Amino acid sequence: GAGVSQSPSNKVTEKGKDVELRCDPISGHTALYWYRQSLGQGLEFLIYFQGNSAPDKSGLPSDRFSAERTGGSVSTLTIQRTQQEDSAVYLCASSFLAGGRGMDTQYFGPGTRLTVL
Amino acid sequence: GNSVTQMEGPVTLSEEAFLTINCTYTATGYPSLFWYVQYPGEGLQLLLKATKADDKGSNKGFEATYRKETTSFHLEKGSVQVSDSAVYFCALIGGGSNYKLTFGKGTLLTVNP
Repeated sequence: GAGVSQSPSNKVTEKGKDVELRCDPISGHTALYWYRQSLGQGLEFLIYFQGNSAPDKSGLPSDRFSAERTGGSVSTLTIQRTQQEDSAVYLCASSFLAGGRGMDTQYFGPGTRLTVL
Repeated sequence: GNSVTQMEGPVTLSEEAFLTINCTYTATGYPSLFWYVQYPGEGLQLLLKATKADDKGSNKGFEATYRKETTSFHLEKGSVQVSDSAVYFCALIGGGSNYKLTFGKGTLLTVNP
């Protein structure tokens, strides 16, 4: 694929429901990242995957948030029992490697806009 | 921890005006520095980057020079166009975290014809 893709582009849900957000990284990129963009907090790091493992989950705001990556490719971010403060744009990014100069540039997808009513 | 401070907007300019958006950072070691741009209704796009001191990143007429002595990475363009209207984010990777992007709060630029 040409770039990082995310689905759905928009998601409206009711408070208390679970949601799943999907990310397809650029083919061949081993590192994958989730960020959240909200008016109050700006752009925040959520989680980082290297292959299928997540060495850093420190940005996940609560235990209602989880993410997995399978086959070193697609990733799913799951939010359980959504709250209104979860409303934000969730961005996925990928890079060829992580931590190596010149190969760690992160390319972003278009995002999923989540609205919790 | 790492932090990025960029000038608060909004910035409003006339077409062909000179643009500067200031960005300073705090990080240990030698971070990589980035400018990302977000056009209305679109996702984040990498505009330019620099990975070591005195490097100049450039793209689409925009430039930024990595200045370690002043911990700055100011974005400049000599002559802006209406199509440059967007939100610009300064960001860094490094300083103990070699994968986590730390972003500034963004600067909204509006260019009027």
